[in-house]
Amino acid sequence: GAVVSQHPSRVICKSGTSVKIECRSLDFQATTMFWYRQFPKQSLMLMATSNEGSKATYEQGVEKDKFLINHASLTLSTLTVTSAHPEDSSFYICSARWGGRDPDTQYFGPGTRLTVL
Amino acid sequence: AQSVTQPDIHITVSEGASLELRCNYSYGATPYLFWYVQSPGQGLQLLLKYFSGDTLVQGIKGFEAEFKRSQSSFNLRKPSVHWSDAAEYFCAVAPLSGGYNKLIFGAGTRLAVHP
Repeated sequence: GAVVSQHPSRVICKSGTSVKIECRSLDFQATTMFWYRQFPKQSLMLMATSNEGSKATYEQGVEKDKFLINHASLTLSTLTVTSAHPEDSSFYICSARWGGRDPDTQYFGPGTRLTVL
Repeated sequence: AQSVTQPDIHITVSEGASLELRCNYSYGATPYLFWYVQSPGQGLQLLLKYFSGDTLVQGIKGFEAEFKRSQSSFNLRKPSVHWSDAAEYFCAVAPLSGGYNKLIFGAGTRLAVHP
């Protein structure tokens, strides 16, 4: 149980284009989803927290107009990187929290590697 | 400053040897504590967690961790390492200041296992 998927696993795009990454909780309803960014050989940095049906809360220094988050349902959240540039190349990881039995534990997706040319 | 510290960036052990990965945190109130493992191509997998109660926590894959309040530490241990344990290990905390909602990760420790 508590499986989280991400799609795509890898994407390459041209500078200036937008890329959408999906995060799905497959076997539970996620009250909260989180988006992280991980640079090579570094740790995960929280970008934003989203609750179903409400606006995402962004961490300090994260551009909300650059990284659009939509949490449309209890099983799906999307991250759109708008007008991507090479410096946006990174590994993006989502996680979901199950508000029922295990409210304080986050379950992570496998990540999406974004390369902007 | 509030932080999570994993002092060992890279550790190499022989298969069958014991393992201890260190984690220290700096927060006023005891946060929730977690250990995750990240293998290539896979998502972070929760090994174990501590919220309260017994300070010795048992996790999956034969791992355990001990919370020591006096040392602000939550070290991960395994008595006998297997080659499949080679991966990146992250200590994470969910501090009270974030309502226990936000995870703050340490820098990670990369474990290599020699046959």
